Amino acid sequence: TQLLEQSPQFLSIQEGENLTVYCNSSSVFSSLQWYRQEPGEGPVLLVTVVTGGEVKKLKRLTFQFGDARKDSSLHITAAQPGDTGLYLCAGENYGQNFVFGPGTRLSVLP
Amino acid sequence: NAGVTQTPKFRVLKTGQSMTLLCAQDMNHEYMYWYRQDPGMGLRLIHYSVGEGTTAKGEVPDGYNVSRLKKQNFLLGLESAAPSQTSVYFCASSRIWTGGFNTGELFFGEGSRLTVL
Repeated sequence: TQLLEQSPQFLSIQEGENLTVYCNSSSVFSSLQWYRQEPGEGPVLLVTVVTGGEVKKLKRLTFQFGDARKDSSLHITAAQPGDTGLYLCAGENYGQNFVFGPGTRLSVLP
Repeated sequence: NAGVTQTPKFRVLKTGQSMTLLCAQDMNHEYMYWYRQDPGMGLRLIHYSVGEGTTAKGEVPDGYNVSRLKKQNFLLGLESAAPSQTSVYFCASSRIWTGGFNTGELFFGEGSRLTVL
């Protein structure tokens, strides 16, 4: 059983569409990160959220940490082909362990 | 800016062979990690190091050994490779420990794809 679940597992959309991907857990996390991984590359950090209810924006990407600190979402507005990649959430649950979710593989078609 | 460099990038082994993956970072980070990435499983921590001369087991340490003789290098060894160790291996480093409220950013290498026949 994974501590972090991500949905959907795969997502294929057209350029210009909006999308939301989710990261959920039954555990409470002290902080949560989102990484993007492009083919043949290692993951790269997009954002870290640490406060329940926190919302952070990075250009067309909006990240939210759930009030109960058990879930997070990533919303992309007007997706572009450059957004294609594997989106991974990762979290630390109060000193027990730092874990990655299985990822959402996003494909944005031109 | 090299960041985190892994060698080799690709390797094919036969069952029972041994090999070493080398990770080098030029950011003077204290913390280094080895992960494996398998489809649908995300990244799983194999071993990690909190400083030169230290190593510790992660989530899936069996069949692997590590060493950190120099601060900038972290080696991952497979003494007797098995098909179950076919995976993509990622080395990462961080300035701040990946724990607590100040979770550090992980900087990853490009990965090493290992196939065990």
